[in-house]
Amino acid sequence: SQQGEEDPQALSIQEGENATMNCSYKTSINNLQWYRQNSGRGLVHLILIRSNEREKHSGRLRVTLDTSKKSSSLLITASRAADTASYFCATDDAGNNRKLIWGLGTSLAVNP
Amino acid sequence: EAGVAQSPRYKIIEKRQSVAFWCNPISGHATLYWYQQILGQGPKLLIQFQNNGVVDDSQLPKDRFSAERLKGVDSTLKIQPAKLEDSAVYLCASKAGLLETQYFGPGTRLLVL
Repeated sequence: SQQGEEDPQALSIQEGENATMNCSYKTSINNLQWYRQNSGRGLVHLILIRSNEREKHSGRLRVTLDTSKKSSSLLITASRAADTASYFCATDDAGNNRKLIWGLGTSLAVNP
Repeated sequence: EAGVAQSPRYKIIEKRQSVAFWCNPISGHATLYWYQQILGQGPKLLIQFQNNGVVDDSQLPKDRFSAERLKGVDSTLKIQPAKLEDSAVYLCASKAGLLETQYFGPGTRLLVL
């Protein structure tokens, strides 16, 4: 079953701009992860934030987590054409054998 | 380190035919997952193995799908007979021990006509 809901479903920006994607979820979690999927390829892990963390950075990526609102955001700064991909959040479900529950994804297009 | 390998990359079959997908996880990864990803959606877990035992197959359509991981390494996923709605990308992922990150293969894109 799908748990996360990303918004927006699609986002189109110019190179150099920032891109923000949001994810909402429903149950208690151990952690929340963001993955990237290029067209026709497998998923690549980007960043993991634990339930007791509020913000995490990795290069041009910044992730925030608000467990009271059951939501997370992924910010990509100074976007590049190579960032064009679909971005998925996945929650590590604390009560369900710790399997990952995936959202529907945000499709990001970065125009040169 | 070699990544997760999957084959074939693409497969086109007619409905009611059978098809099998193969996955070789990263060496030493005890946990292996098969996901189904329909176009425009996120991955849906079909089955999770821990070594050669099944941990979760609650979303596997067992009347037509089967999977095995006999020696705790490679795994195969089979669909018999295929339906039109099985058209999707089938992703294999593996994970090491207690770490949380899953590593994905490139997927097998299946088209059922």
